[in-house]
Amino acid sequence: KNEVEQSPQNLTAQEGEFITINCSYSVGISALHWLQQHPGGGIVSLFMLSSGKKKHGRLIATINIQEKHSSLHITASHPRDSAVYICAVRRGLSGSARQLTFGSGTQLTVLP
Amino acid sequence: NAGVTQTPKFQVLKTGQSMTLQCAQDMNHEYMSWYRQDPGMGLRLIHYSVGAGITDQGEVPNGYNVSRSTTEDFPLRLLSAAPSQTSVYFCASRAIGTLEEFSNQPQHFGDGTRLSIL
Repeated sequence: KNEVEQSPQNLTAQEGEFITINCSYSVGISALHWLQQHPGGGIVSLFMLSSGKKKHGRLIATINIQEKHSSLHITASHPRDSAVYICAVRRGLSGSARQLTFGSGTQLTVLP
Repeated sequence: NAGVTQTPKFQVLKTGQSMTLQCAQDMNHEYMSWYRQDPGMGLRLIHYSVGAGITDQGEVPNGYNVSRSTTEDFPLRLLSAAPSQTSVYFCASRAIGTLEEFSNQPQHFGDGTRLSIL
């Protein structure tokens, strides 16, 4: 079983829909990252969370440390949101625990 | 600032050939890393460096060498390319700061190198 599991693997939505992408992890972590990979391949860091909730524009990320679960929400989705969304966790602050472990990603397609 | 710059963007090699993927960052980041991305497997860490002169192995280091002679550059070398090394390679960097700050430093990625080994 992978340490970081994302669901769904693929998601197709109509423009304007509210979207939720889930990430579950099986280890203790110091931080969780949400990344966005554009169709051209570039990767952008969206959020870093260690607790609670963060919001940037139409993007909202939440994390529940006790349940080892995080969600990425997109409100009023738009075709330009189409991308692969990747969850990654960092287990600790020193040594090999500082490395990121990545989920396999969620391919989001938003149709006009 | 250019951020993280990877070259080349595309490369085709024959089995047994060697090549170096270049990665440079202009943000004075101590931490740099190389990942490979394969379908259905997510990003996997190949090698990383926490500063000039210091490198260490990641999850999938076999077949790859790295060096870190300067803070800015972190080249990845394939000594004898194999078809299993066909992948998309990403270089990333971040500041380290204090141990407590490390978790809150954003990771900056290059645009990737698409490598095919025939």
